[in-house]
Amino acid sequence: EAGVTQFPSHSVIEKGQTVTLRCDPISGHDNLYWYRRVMGKEIKFLLHFVKESKQDESGMPNNRFLAERTGGTYSTLKVQPAELEDSGVYFCASSRGDRSWETQYFGPGTRLLVL
Amino acid sequence: DQQVKQNSPSLSVQEGRISILNCDYTNSMFDYFLWYKKYPAEGPTFLISISSIKDKNEDGRFTVFLNKSAKHLSLHIVPSQPGDSAVYFCAASARRGSQGNLIFGKGTKLSVKP
Repeated sequence: EAGVTQFPSHSVIEKGQTVTLRCDPISGHDNLYWYRRVMGKEIKFLLHFVKESKQDESGMPNNRFLAERTGGTYSTLKVQPAELEDSGVYFCASSRGDRSWETQYFGPGTRLLVL
Repeated sequence: DQQVKQNSPSLSVQEGRISILNCDYTNSMFDYFLWYKKYPAEGPTFLISISSIKDKNEDGRFTVFLNKSAKHLSLHIVPSQPGDSAVYFCAASARRGSQGNLIFGKGTKLSVKP
């Protein structure tokens, strides 16, 4: 079974530009989560999809961040326009959505650097 | 304010000895706790979890202990191996009424020396 995959692995952009991150969850996982780790700090929750619906987006920092999960499969996270403080590692995780929903399986992350 | 705290940023242990990683939490609504291991340039890998109805869960060399009255949990690795060298994150969630998001500590970097 393939794990959670994320693309790209790294992205370096200038302040004001747009970046789109992609996450492909484990096949059959209804729950998809985005997290972010800023340098030296803890991993923080951004939002949670159940299939194609946003279940909880309380962690989204501001309206420059837009997440979508069309068709309930892969998800994208767009940052527009990017600011310096958006730099960090963006992780995606998925879980099945039944009794084992607590166990979230993480992707390798996308390392974003905004210059 | 941090709801999950890992007060030791690093820990060094000799191969074969026991590694004990600690985690404290403040939110009494947390009822599920997980430990993740993370290697550089990789995502966190699920290691072991414990529900608040238990005080111990064991999986091979890894044991997690939960002390609800002290709001404290610990991960024991015995015997420690050089391959265990990684950053360990403690995470918690409040399943009742929760949307499922995990609250993470800042991590403890474990170094196991041969």
